Amino acid sequence: ETGVTQSPTHLIKTRGQQVTLRCSSQSGHNTVSWYQQALGQGPQFIFQYYREEENGRGNFPPRFSGLQFPNYSSELNVNALELDDSALYLCASSLVGAATEAFFGQGTRLTVV
Amino acid sequence: AQRVTQPEKLLSVFKGAPVELKCNYSYSGSPELFWYVQYSRQRLQLLLRHISRESIKGFTADLNKGETSFHLKKPFAQEEDSAMYYCALTGPGSARQLTFGSGTQLTVLP
Repeated sequence: ETGVTQSPTHLIKTRGQQVTLRCSSQSGHNTVSWYQQALGQGPQFIFQYYREEENGRGNFPPRFSGLQFPNYSSELNVNALELDDSALYLCASSLVGAATEAFFGQGTRLTVV
Repeated sequence: AQRVTQPEKLLSVFKGAPVELKCNYSYSGSPELFWYVQYSRQRLQLLLRHISRESIKGFTADLNKGETSFHLKKPFAQEEDSAMYYCALTGPGSARQLTFGSGTQLTVLP
């Protein structure tokens, strides 16, 4: 059984650029959720993908978008990067609808300069 | 709006002493409550959830709906308990997204 893996681990981008973060879900999990964790804060829900469609969204602007692929892996895309987008981005995989545990990846540290 | 509040950012106790990490929540309905833990250089992982009513690594947490609290307790802290602890909740619906508190950094001193 493989765990949740995210790439890259660290990334530095310039304000206004676009970024793509990647996540491979745990074996057997069909749902991927993305969270943003600013320094000193708890993770904040961005959105969730199930069956390649968005299945719930938090309070984030449309420039945050995502994809899920047939193998359940996922991408988080952020356009027009702002300095406040600097954060740790966490991916979590789970089984939809069930009271099951969400397994988290190690995260991608994004710095916007 | 749902919210989770962890009033203590930092908490230090001596080894063998009891520890309580506080968590209060606001939610209109019946949420499911969790405690997640992040040890140094490790990923965020589930510690326990209220529906399981279980004790993990000596930790327990009781859901008090009247006080809207879900405090995490352990009678005798160990040095390996030092970590960041996050209280979280989720509600019904297929997305079941987690709402986290801001976390409490627990340090158990020798």
